[in-house]
Amino acid sequence: ETGVTQTPRHLVMGMTNKKSLKCEQHLGHNAMYWYKQSAKKPLELMFVYSLEERVENNSVPSRFSPECPNSSHLFLHLHTLQPEDSALYLCASSQDFGQGSLKEKLFFGSGTQLSVL
Amino acid sequence: RKEVEQDPGPFNVPEGATVAFNCTYSNSASQSFFWYRQDCRKEPKLLMSVYSSGNEDGRFTAQLNRASQYISLLIRDSKLSDSATYLCVVTYDNYGQNFVFGPGTRLSVLP
Repeated sequence: ETGVTQTPRHLVMGMTNKKSLKCEQHLGHNAMYWYKQSAKKPLELMFVYSLEERVENNSVPSRFSPECPNSSHLFLHLHTLQPEDSALYLCASSQDFGQGSLKEKLFFGSGTQLSVL
Repeated sequence: RKEVEQDPGPFNVPEGATVAFNCTYSNSASQSFFWYRQDCRKEPKLLMSVYSSGNEDGRFTAQLNRASQYISLLIRDSKLSDSATYLCVVTYDNYGQNFVFGPGTRLSVLP
């Protein structure tokens, strides 16, 4: 139990569907992240929220839309995805963002394995 | 040049062996360094932070060489349960802390 829960664990969707990924952290952290992990590629940062404010968006296509209603919940809304978007989507949290110290460790959720048909 | 590079692997070693992983980073302004472990189809989990003076946690030893921009992880007396992908992670301040992950090195410990 890492304190970060993600749902669903697996998702299969067509290119015209709309779905959402959910993440909840029970650690009292102030920063939350979405990462994408494709096969044989490093984790790619997609979005960062600090105190519910988006602080980083790594040139992610608009078909991915994040939402952070409060410091413990994070969503990733998906629409009109492409087959190349199939990947493991990981949510993570850290105590704070931008402290530049060894205290800033990431805690990951179990991920959502997404397949786009 | 990629920001964080690691040994390509995979490493296949017998139980009890000592294995070392190497990682290099390109951004000299990097601030913090970590090793994460990721089991197949699971999320990454923090293995250990890497301190400037080097640090040890049981069978695991991490070293940092800022001058050479190089990090290493040594695993002694390998166990079957050590089989996983080991991710080198570097952070730097880009108007906020940015965690940059290496591609990982896969380790298989064989009976």
